[in-house]
Amino acid sequence: AQRVTQPEKLLSVFKGAPVELKCNYSYSGSPELFWYVQYSRQRLQLLLRHISRESIKGFTADLNKGETSFHLKKPFAQEEDSAMYYCALGDSGGYQKVTFGTGTKLQVIP
Amino acid sequence: DAGVIQSPRHEVTEMGQEVTLRCKPISGHNSLFWYRQTMMRGLELLIYFNNNVPIDDSGMPEDRFSAKMPNASFSTLKIQPSEPRDSAVYFCASSPPQGREQYFGPGTRLTVT
Repeated sequence: AQRVTQPEKLLSVFKGAPVELKCNYSYSGSPELFWYVQYSRQRLQLLLRHISRESIKGFTADLNKGETSFHLKKPFAQEEDSAMYYCALGDSGGYQKVTFGTGTKLQVIP
Repeated sequence: DAGVIQSPRHEVTEMGQEVTLRCKPISGHNSLFWYRQTMMRGLELLIYFNNNVPIDDSGMPEDRFSAKMPNASFSTLKIQPSEPRDSAVYFCASSPPQGREQYFGPGTRLTVT
């Protein structure tokens, strides 16, 4: 069965420090992975997807099939990055369902 | 496009009352998802529809919960009777036909006293 693991519930970093939010997945086929962000008391928003290989708000994520990981990185954390981050994996079935991880709360300390 | 629209944004009700949450997906999207978010359990998928047909309702916690999608632009999630443990934020999300990215609504914050 497919699974998404985010091992850290809370990650605290100082402003200006590098950030790495971990995401590991288990999946038998070719995965489709996403990162979502949820700012305090707001909706979840799509941050980036691996197929786009884009950088949004300074964040990047590289798919490592060997390590089955899709870690989210940013070289210099900003206070406005404080939020909840969810990693998600597209379902293997024919529909658009995704499996979300449990989320990591990023706290950027001024 | 206004994005996914949910109503009401806040709902406070007494235990035993019926609650109906509403969702309007983004026009042209063909999949719709209902999630529940709590501090204890995180984000849980309750049910999802594809082309207005329920595909998987295994996440619906009990028979007190029901969901419908009578047409492509409207869905409801009903709780009858409501209980205090149903207190949560309920999100609706929709996806376009050719992608798995989901667009979330602002959520309905439900409080059952």
